[in-house]
This record gives sequence, structure tokens and C-alpha cells, in this order.
Amino acid sequence: AQSVAQPEDQVNVAEGNPLTVKCTYSVSGNPYLFWYVQYPNRGLQFLLKYITGDNLVKGSYGFEAEFNKSQTSFHLKKPSALVSDSALYFCAVRLNTGFQKLVFGTGTRLLVSP
Amino acid sequence: GAGVSQSPSNKVTEKGKDVELRCDPISGHTALYWYRQSLGQGLEFLIYFQGNSAPDKSGLPSDRFSAERTGGSVSTLTIQRTQQEDSAVYLCASSPRTSGTSYNEQFFGPGTRLTVL
Repeated sequence: AQSVAQPEDQVNVAEGNPLTVKCTYSVSGNPYLFWYVQYPNRGLQFLLKYITGDNLVKGSYGFEAEFNKSQTSFHLKKPSALVSDSALYFCAVRLNTGFQKLVFGTGTRLLVSP
Repeated sequence: GAGVSQSPSNKVTEKGKDVELRCDPISGHTALYWYRQSLGQGLEFLIYFQGNSAPDKSGLPSDRFSAERTGGSVSTLTIQRTQQEDSAVYLCASSPRTSGTSYNEQFFGPGTRLTVL
């Protein structure tokens, strides 16, 4: 069965510093990997995805993520955090087969302090 | 254009009552998904529609939960005889036609917050 782990419930970073939100996955085949962000009282917004190709994926709002097959990781990164980046971040995975559902991690709350 | 909309935004009900949650997907999106977001549980897949049929219902937690989709558009998630553990935010998402190894990103609605007293 496919699963996603986000080992940190919360990540604290000062504005202007680089940030990393960790994600590891477990699937039996080749994964499709995603990051979504959720602002308070809002639905999930798509940030970026890895389907195939270049392991470094660039997404919205200056975020990027690196697919590492050997470590089964897909960590979210940003070189310089903004206070407005404070939100709940979800990593998700699905198989590149007929299964359409996304399997989400439990989420990591990012808090960027001024 | 308009995004995914859900109604009501908030629903408070008494234990044992039935509730209906509605999702209007993005026009033209043939795939529709329901997820549940519970405190501390992350997002849990419930059901997936392709058109009006549901090839994957594996996430529905019990037979009190059902969903339908009509006209390839609006979907309704029904919870019968609600229990307190049903309290959660129910999220709907839609995407263009997707099958096999293809992938189209899912667009999420704002959710319906259900509270069962």
C-alpha cells in the first residue's frame, strides 16, 4: 500500500531564512508526488508535482522540491521564507497506474516569524 | 473561471440525523473526488467519480456514507445517522479526465465543516 510520512508536525523558521519541509513516501511502483498548501479556512492549493524527468521540480510562490528515489523522499524547499508562507503543507502520492486517489501525509504546519 | 464550490460551508447537526454535502466541480472536469480532513488525521480519501460512475469507493468508512454524481457534474455526499466521529472538514476536488498513467492535477474546493453534536 502507498503511504506518505511527514515527520514534523511543525517547522519554525525566521523570515529570510531557507526552509525545508520533509516528506518521505512508500509505494511499490513509480510514484507521482505532490505538495499542496492550505491557508486558514481555505481549500488546498496545488504547489508542485513530480511526475517524471528532472528530479528538481519548481512550483508556485518560489517553492521547489527534490525527488530522491534512493531515499524515497520529496522534501519541499524555499531559499528565503516569507511570513506569508505560514500555512499547513501536505505531501501526497499516487501510483502511476489506474489508481487515481491521492494519499496524503498528516501535514506540517510552517510558521515563519518576522 | 469559477473554481470548485461546496455547500454548505458549515453544517452543525445532531447525532443521528442525516446530512447532505454538495460539490460543484469546475465545468468540464470529469473526475471528482471526496476527501475528509479530521483533526490530526490529515486528508483521507473517500470516493472517486469518473463521470457518473464511482470506480473507487474504497475510502467510504461505513455503509452510512454514500455519494452520487449526476449529469457528470454536481456530486452529493450523504451521511446517514451521523455520529460524533463524523465531525470533520469534507473536501471535494475535481480534475480533467484522467486515466491509467495520465495525470491531471486536482483542484480543491473550500470544504464543508461538519460538526455533529
